[in-house]
Amino acid sequence: NAGVTQTPKFRVLKTGQSMTLLCAQDMNHEYMYWYRQDPGMGLRLIHYSVGEGTTAKGEVPDGYNVSRLKKQNFLLGLESAAPSQTSVYFCASSYSQARAGSYEQYFGPGTRLTVT
Amino acid sequence: GENVEQHPSTLSVQEGDSAVIKCTYSDSASNYFPWYKQELGKGPQLIIDIRSNVGEKKDQRIAVTLNKTAKHFSLHITETQPEDSAVYFCAASRTGTASKLTFGTGTRLQVTL
Repeated sequence: NAGVTQTPKFRVLKTGQSMTLLCAQDMNHEYMYWYRQDPGMGLRLIHYSVGEGTTAKGEVPDGYNVSRLKKQNFLLGLESAAPSQTSVYFCASSYSQARAGSYEQYFGPGTRLTVT
Repeated sequence: GENVEQHPSTLSVQEGDSAVIKCTYSDSASNYFPWYKQELGKGPQLIIDIRSNVGEKKDQRIAVTLNKTAKHFSLHITETQPEDSAVYFCAASRTGTASKLTFGTGTRLQVTL
């Protein structure tokens, strides 16, 4: 099992460019999430998905779009990148029901994005 | 929405000493409280979690306590080791809502020899 993988690992964009971050999981999890991590602010939820074909907004969704066409993949898109979107992006996945009382989320290794 | 505050932001302890990290939450409906450990360059990993029907949970050197009345929960690490050095995040959520976690701002723990 690879767990949760993210591509790319690093990316530098110019203001106004677009890009897509890919998240893949091989644990057959129903739920998937995108977070951003900024210094001193912890992790903040951008968007999440409770199943194939469904997505919902999290705490900081502005400037991002997502799609979940396949159960194992969750894509995060930036249509017109801004310097404020410079961050480390983490994808996570989880089961829809507790396992042994836990709602553990499994995180990928992250994507470091810089927007100049 | 939920708001989680975490203290301290940095903590330095000597190897073998105990470390305590504290969090408070605002949403009285939150009922699931996990703790994640993040090592440098990696994604967070769950180390222990507690549900609101339990006041304390222990797993070897790690324990979590929950005070629902005060909306306060804490992580206790005993007999700290250098490999405990990392950033620790608390979080809170209501189960049944896609387990949407609200994270604290993190505590950087440094265990010195």
